[in-house]
Amino acid sequence: GAGVSQSPSNKVTEKGKDVELRCDPISGHTALYWYRQRLGQGLEFLIYFQGNSAPDKSGLPSDRFSAERTGESVSTLTIQRTQQEDSAVYLCASSTSLAGGIKNIQYFGAGTRLSVL
Amino acid sequence: AQKITQTQPGMFVQEKEAVTLDCTYDTSDPSYGLFWYKQPSSGEMIFLIYQGSYDQQNATEGRYSLNFQKARKSANLVISASQLGDSAMYFCAMREFGGGADGLTFGKGTHLIIQP
Repeated sequence: GAGVSQSPSNKVTEKGKDVELRCDPISGHTALYWYRQRLGQGLEFLIYFQGNSAPDKSGLPSDRFSAERTGESVSTLTIQRTQQEDSAVYLCASSTSLAGGIKNIQYFGAGTRLSVL
Repeated sequence: AQKITQTQPGMFVQEKEAVTLDCTYDTSDPSYGLFWYKQPSSGEMIFLIYQGSYDQQNATEGRYSLNFQKARKSANLVISASQLGDSAMYFCAMREFGGGADGLTFGKGTHLIIQP
């Protein structure tokens, strides 16, 4: 597609349920990033993928959060046993190969707004 | 300590005026990049402009320019001739080369409202 696509755009769930958020990056972009944005805040980096490898998972808020990526395409962010504090907008971004250096522009999707009741 | 500080939570500006959005940063890495993004009410983050730590000249992209003062560790965004469509949240972000391939570190943003 032309841009980064995220689904669903909105998700309402009950506390304790599992949710899966999906990100479809720009075609040809090998790097993929997940961020969380709480209400009125800046973006908080969660995890990135180079290809289907995630070298550093330390940004994930807790062990209830996991992410995977199939090849160099779709990624899913899974939150198990959701809590109310997980309510936020989850944004995905993609960029060309990291070999391009520090100026790798990240292009963002519109995000998934997660509400945990 | 915050790595990116945006001291203006909100700003009101008259249409057609120039506006400066402040951003200061903190890093000991000599190689880094600074980014500005715009987030309209639709939620999508739109890339505006980039400045590298070794760039000799201030970056410009159309009506956007970056006032980069390395010694002061500031990277203010200047929007010339503001338009109603410029109303949005604006975020300053940084990537440090020493951080490898980690993501961007964002400030808390400035909510800009352009008034007719």
